[in-house]
Amino acid sequence: GEDVEQSLFLSVREGDSSVINCTYTDSSSTYLYWYKQEPGAGLQLLTYIFSNMDMKQDQRLTVLLNKKDKHLSLRIADTQTGDSAIYFCAANDYKLSFGAGTTVTVRA
Amino acid sequence: DGGITQSPKYLFRKEGQNVTLSCEQNLNHDAMYWYRQDPGQGLRLIYYSQIVNDFQKGDIAEGYSVSREKKESFPLTVTSAQKNPTAFYLCASSTQPDNLNYGYTFGSGTRLTVV
Repeated sequence: GEDVEQSLFLSVREGDSSVINCTYTDSSSTYLYWYKQEPGAGLQLLTYIFSNMDMKQDQRLTVLLNKKDKHLSLRIADTQTGDSAIYFCAANDYKLSFGAGTTVTVRA
Repeated sequence: DGGITQSPKYLFRKEGQNVTLSCEQNLNHDAMYWYRQDPGQGLRLIYYSQIVNDFQKGDIAEGYSVSREKKESFPLTVTSAQKNPTAFYLCASSTQPDNLNYGYTFGSGTRLTVV
């Protein structure tokens, strides 16, 4: 099955950009996703990218996909305190496989 | 509004007791999933169902059971055979597995604690 890996923690100053990285193993994954989880809540879909795309931008979010290296990143511009959460990368084979999640802490 | 509802939000279980977590969706999604979340371990798949009256084991099915008698409902029973059930449980649903451009929709979770 698919293995998805991400770093566990990221600390960023308010107003700076955050970059969360993810690697996956299955090159046949069609869609790759980023989810956000706030404390005590479920996961909320932030954005997704189709595997034939290199980049997708959605307001403050930019997703970059390097299919050759099987590397996915999520950039959050002008990071705010409300961006503090756990961010999950996910890739699909016949079901979604999730990374362990990156806890993003925004400091003033 | 369409969505997926998990209940209860908090659940306490005594040793040796079975408990059932509820998951209901009104999104007309065919597929439903149960995940367990432990700190630092991300999401681990317990069971999933792609169609009514059918379900498959995920990666950590031991000590759990499910049923899928209705399209809208996918309850999870945590049995006494599950030795370490304290965790956050998440239910999700999706359209047909080969149409994943919208990903999964998640419920708000149930926190189960053994007392």
